[in-house]
Amino acid sequence: NFILTQPHSVSESPGRTVTISCTRSSGSIASNYVHWSQQRPGSPPTTVIYEDDQRPSGVPDRFSGSIDSSSNSASLTISGLKTEDEADYYCQSYDGSNEWVFGGGTKLTVL
Amino acid sequence: QIQLQQSGPGLVKPSQTLSLTCAISGDRVSSNSAVWNWIRQSPSRGLEWLGRTYYRSKWYNDYALSVKSRITLEPDTSKNQLALRLTSVTPEDTAVYYCARQDSQTWDFDHWGQGTLVTVSS
Repeated sequence: NFILTQPHSVSESPGRTVTISCTRSSGSIASNYVHWSQQRPGSPPTTVIYEDDQRPSGVPDRFSGSIDSSSNSASLTISGLKTEDEADYYCQSYDGSNEWVFGGGTKLTVL
Repeated sequence: QIQLQQSGPGLVKPSQTLSLTCAISGDRVSSNSAVWNWIRQSPSRGLEWLGRTYYRSKWYNDYALSVKSRITLEPDTSKNQLALRLTSVTPEDTAVYYCARQDSQTWDFDHWGQGTLVTVSS
């Protein structure tokens, strides 16, 4: 299995833009789709990006996803930050041998 | 509207078997367009995928290598639910356990149960 590495925490001010990275340790980031979830305390995760850059219905277009083969990483970008965006964010991807891998999570603080 | 309702004990003794149930409404456990997963979360291990079951003319199961020797997922079509059994538990198995549905077109974990905190302690 590969490892998905995320920064432990990021912080930014309301109205600004933040980007959270998710770096794959081995194999190509492009070989399997990356999904992103948001988790608030006491609740299960909910999807904000699937298939690298697709937004589920109901997720604001302030949320966007991308992958970068040169750095072998995926990114979640949140623009026009709101205090309600404060949460933990997780990337996840399939390892190709019937297992799913989650990143360690990034705590976003909006202050 | 798809809903997943989890049930099961919150306290299990070491060496015993952890058993949880996920009751499904708004979809079928035997659906050809869904995959049913169990995922756990703990401060030390983060989110950890444990296994999945799905029906495509027959039942298939895949399990994480970390728990493969101890885990069983059992679909019950008559009750439209999915059971998780994890044997020989230790305190390291203490976590919040979630069942989660995956759409087999997008592979998105699009619906989750409410989560069950299971503590392994004597």
